[in-house]
Amino acid sequence: GENVEQHPSTLSVQEGDSAVIKCTYSDSASNYFPWYKQELGKRPQLIIDIRSNVGEKKDQRIAVTLNKTAKHFSLHITETQPEDSAVYFCAAAGVMYSGGGADGLTFGKGTHLIIQP
Amino acid sequence: AAGVIQSPRHLIKEKRETATLKCYPIPRHDTVYWYQQGPGQDPQFLISFYEKMQSDKGSIPDRFSAQQFSDYHSELNMSSLELGDSALYFCASSLEGDTNIQYFGAGTRLSVL
Repeated sequence: GENVEQHPSTLSVQEGDSAVIKCTYSDSASNYFPWYKQELGKRPQLIIDIRSNVGEKKDQRIAVTLNKTAKHFSLHITETQPEDSAVYFCAAAGVMYSGGGADGLTFGKGTHLIIQP
Repeated sequence: AAGVIQSPRHLIKEKRETATLKCYPIPRHDTVYWYQQGPGQDPQFLISFYEKMQSDKGSIPDRFSAQQFSDYHSELNMSSLELGDSALYFCASSLEGDTNIQYFGAGTRLSVL
């Protein structure tokens, strides 16, 4: 089955600086890579995702890059703000777009992002 | 916009009892997923259903079972509860063939005493 490794487990940055979280996956059949933000006791919320036919995707202060050859993908948050403090999870899954549904997500262990004022 | 609805939000059970968790997906979504999240851990995929058929199976214990009904809602049945089953249980739903983005419900917090 799929295995997702995520680093670092804790990341502390100064407000306004950038944060980078890295993940690797093992199953070459995985083709969908979402990132979720989770606050304590709350539901995971999708912040950005990328599919295997794309190398990079950006949404305002958030960007994700994917290297299929290295089986590596990363989350980049620029101009960090106090409200960015949370646990961030990367995930991987195989998705069939022509029917048959999608696999359950395999999550990384999470990164606790702390924004220092 | 309508979201994924889970009930109950909180549930307290004794060891060896049974529990049933319910999930109502976003309207028009045809796929439902169940995840278990222990304290300080990542969500673990349990099982999923597409068009009322099991589509993928993860680390669901044999003591647990689930199904998706004709109105697309899903129920997770848990029997012979153990202390280690105490966790947050999330349901997510997606629309197959569209983006397959999984949207999560607010979760059910199960405490086994």
